[in-house]
Amino acid sequence: DQQVKQNSPSLSVQEGRISILNCDYTNSMFDYFLWYKKYPAEGPTFLISISSIKDKNEDGRFTVFLNKSAKHLSLHIVPSQPGDSAVYFCAASWAGTASKLTFGTGTRLQVTL
Amino acid sequence: NAGVTQTPKFRVLKTGQSMTLLCAQDMNHEYMYWYRQDPGMGLRLIHYSVGEGTTAKGEVPDGYNVSRLKKQNFLLGLESAAPSQTSVYFCASSYSTVHPNIQYFGAGTRLSVL
Repeated sequence: DQQVKQNSPSLSVQEGRISILNCDYTNSMFDYFLWYKKYPAEGPTFLISISSIKDKNEDGRFTVFLNKSAKHLSLHIVPSQPGDSAVYFCAASWAGTASKLTFGTGTRLQVTL
Repeated sequence: NAGVTQTPKFRVLKTGQSMTLLCAQDMNHEYMYWYRQDPGMGLRLIHYSVGEGTTAKGEVPDGYNVSRLKKQNFLLGLESAAPSQTSVYFCASSYSTVHPNIQYFGAGTRLSVL
């Protein structure tokens, strides 16, 4: 049972345009959501997060939106840069679980020139 | 500033062999985690530890054992390796014992079991 889903395995965007990566979840107990970025042969690195008490969190070119009623979150990257080409994982956690993360399957973003 | 260090980076085993993967963190983090990443499956939690001397099972614990004898180290053992354990293994750690917290990952160990 995949509690966190990233239905788009890959996404290609031109440099300078907006990249939108989507994530859906099924467990209503999740109250904290994170995005990780992963380059080949490296470990995932934390990018941005959002608490369920918010609907938006912004950090430079990265913005995460949360729609609790739809159990959906998205990561917007504006403007996209070639260095953003990586695999992006959505993850979720909830209190009382040792902050264990449940990961989605990832979306590979390619930013083209 | 090492962060989370995993050794070895690569390993090839024959079916039935045993090995131990070492994870070391220098950030004084309380929590440590072992994940495996397989194609199309994302990262799945194998075992985790909420402090020195404690361990707990994650989502896919079968075939693995762990130990946390020192706060900074978390060991993952395979007693009798199977081809199904071919994967990339990631260790992570997090500081806060209060939810929520952010996990920091090592670079991974790529394991092939023939």
